[in-house]
Amino acid sequence: GDSVTQMEGPVTLSEEAFLTINCTYTATGYPSLFWYVQYPGEGLQLLLKATKADDKGSNKGFEATYRKETTSFHLEKGSVQVSDSAVYFCALSGGYGNKLVFGAGTILRVKS
Amino acid sequence: DVKVTQSSRYLVKRTGEKVFLECVQDMDHENMFWYRQDPGLGLRLIYFSYDVKMKEKGDIPEGYSVSREKKERFSLILESASTNQTSMYLCASSKRLFGETQYFGPGTRLLVL
Repeated sequence: GDSVTQMEGPVTLSEEAFLTINCTYTATGYPSLFWYVQYPGEGLQLLLKATKADDKGSNKGFEATYRKETTSFHLEKGSVQVSDSAVYFCALSGGYGNKLVFGAGTILRVKS
Repeated sequence: DVKVTQSSRYLVKRTGEKVFLECVQDMDHENMFWYRQDPGLGLRLIYFSYDVKMKEKGDIPEGYSVSREKKERFSLILESASTNQTSMYLCASSKRLFGETQYFGPGTRLLVL
């Protein structure tokens, strides 16, 4: 079945550092890919998404490019802030019912 | 803005109790979902519904049931709560079309003693 693998955390960075969180997927067909973020004590909210190969999703300085040849959707940000501290989930939607398959989540901690 | 609300943020129940978790969305979405979130496992789908009175099992339906009598409301029922159902429960909704964004509620943290 479909699956998502993302790098284990926690990832600890200093403010203004460059961020990469790796995400790879296995899916039949052509899934849509998502990054969701969960701030402490809250539900998940969509950070960005891409619906076809070579699409780049971007939001709040975060970017991710849908790479079909490497089955990847890595999340990047050029300069992180303390307020970016959260749990980040990579997910795909590829089948019936618009169901999401999630990775395990990566905790990001940004220190000032 | 889409709003998904859940009836409780925190619940404490005893083993064997029947537990109801309620979810309401205000954007006329066709699809609704229940997930549980556990550390290191991400989110796992329990049940989803694509229309009123319709439901389908997700990846971990055992020990759970659901009800959708109205389009905006989707209930998760733990028939006889057990300690291994202690978890964070998240409800989501989306339009029916492929690739549509799912919108999540704030979650209910359930502790079963």
